[in-house]
Amino acid sequence: NAGVTQTPKFQVLKTGQSMTLQCAQDMNHEYMSWYRQDPGMGLRLIHYSVGAGITDQGEVPNGYNVSRSTTEDFPLRLLSAAPSQTSVYFCASSFDRGRGYTFGSGTRLTVV
Amino acid sequence: GNSVTQMEGPVTLSEEAFLTINCTYTATGYPSLFWYVQYPGEGLQLLLKATKADDKGSNKGFEATYRKETTSFHLEKGSVQVSDSAVYFCAAGSFQKLVFGTGTRLLVSP
Repeated sequence: NAGVTQTPKFQVLKTGQSMTLQCAQDMNHEYMSWYRQDPGMGLRLIHYSVGAGITDQGEVPNGYNVSRSTTEDFPLRLLSAAPSQTSVYFCASSFDRGRGYTFGSGTRLTVV
Repeated sequence: GNSVTQMEGPVTLSEEAFLTINCTYTATGYPSLFWYVQYPGEGLQLLLKATKADDKGSNKGFEATYRKETTSFHLEKGSVQVSDSAVYFCAAGSFQKLVFGTGTRLLVSP
């Protein structure tokens, strides 16, 4: 039982490049979310999904796109990377809000 | 929207000392409340949770009680260990979204 798997673990991008951060879970969780973690700011919600085909914006959605074609996968796309998107990105999933989220191990992204 | 406020750190303690990390929240409705712990270089791990008023969550010697009247969910441990050194996050969830505090770093020395 792998839980929540994120790839890659580390990535360096040049300004203007695009990329996709992958997230997959094998727990049949309906809820999935993407957060970014920045020093002194805790975790901020980027996008979330309540099931396949359903996504919505969180607190800081600009510059990011998501899709949820299957229950298992929830990729995060950076359309045109900017230095302000340098951060650690966490994917999380949950069966329901009362049980808490299971987090992946994170992707450390640097945009130069 | 919801928000969570945690005490700023770092909190520095000696081994076997008593720990309190304060957390207050603002929310519409009745959110579930959580404490997560993050060890260096790792993701967040759920430490404990409470889903309704007066519930007490507990795990690994840590406890927190859902106080609706004071909108608080303070984390406590009676005797900390060096291995408890980490960053602790309080979070409040309503429906499908979870809002986090900024985190409190705990440093425990032998």
